[in-house]
Amino acid sequence: ELKVEQNPLFLSMQEGKNYTIYCNYSTTSDRLYWYRQDPGKSLESLFVLLSNGAVKQEGRLMASLDTKARLSTLHITAAVHDLSATYFCAVDMSNSGYALNFGKGTSLLVTP
Amino acid sequence: DTAVSQTPKYLVTQMGNDKSIKCEQNLGHDTMYWYKQDSKKFLKIMFSYNNKELIINETVPNRFSPKSPDKAHLNLHINSLELGDSAVYFCASSQVLTGEQYFGPGTRLTVT
Repeated sequence: ELKVEQNPLFLSMQEGKNYTIYCNYSTTSDRLYWYRQDPGKSLESLFVLLSNGAVKQEGRLMASLDTKARLSTLHITAAVHDLSATYFCAVDMSNSGYALNFGKGTSLLVTP
Repeated sequence: DTAVSQTPKYLVTQMGNDKSIKCEQNLGHDTMYWYKQDSKKFLKIMFSYNNKELIINETVPNRFSPKSPDKAHLNLHINSLELGDSAVYFCASSQVLTGEQYFGPGTRLTVT
């Protein structure tokens, strides 16, 4: 069974600081996704990582994928309050109709 | 235009009732999904479906059944609702090329 583990699950950080969220998964996969969810809202796609070594950046967020280590990171640079949300990583279960297996999510709170 | 839409947004019903949630996507995607998000925000795949194949998560009770009248629609029927069915249900769709999934706004189901 594919397991996806995120850490930390809760993160409180000050504005202007940097931090990294980690996502480990248990079986071979070349496709990993990061989503953002605001309270009471749907999931918004942030990054699609489709190969080993993939790195993508959008604003203050940067995601990377190391398929050999089965590890993805989501790096936050100079956090701002608007980044407060829950962040999920998800791995493609190619043997299940390409459904996604999600981590438990990281609840991020950015404080002044 | 809304890419993935769901109705209703909220659904409150009593135990033992039968209910349906509708989902439509206008993205031309081949594959659609139903996910359940519990009170701890954990997301789990229930079904994935394309015009050829239905894949069911084996942990989903057979009271839940997806029905697809056409490629753009995937509805979720739930029989004999139980208290534990209370959750937010998300519909999603994707194209196989990237696997990136687009989520609907969610349906918050409350069973009393």
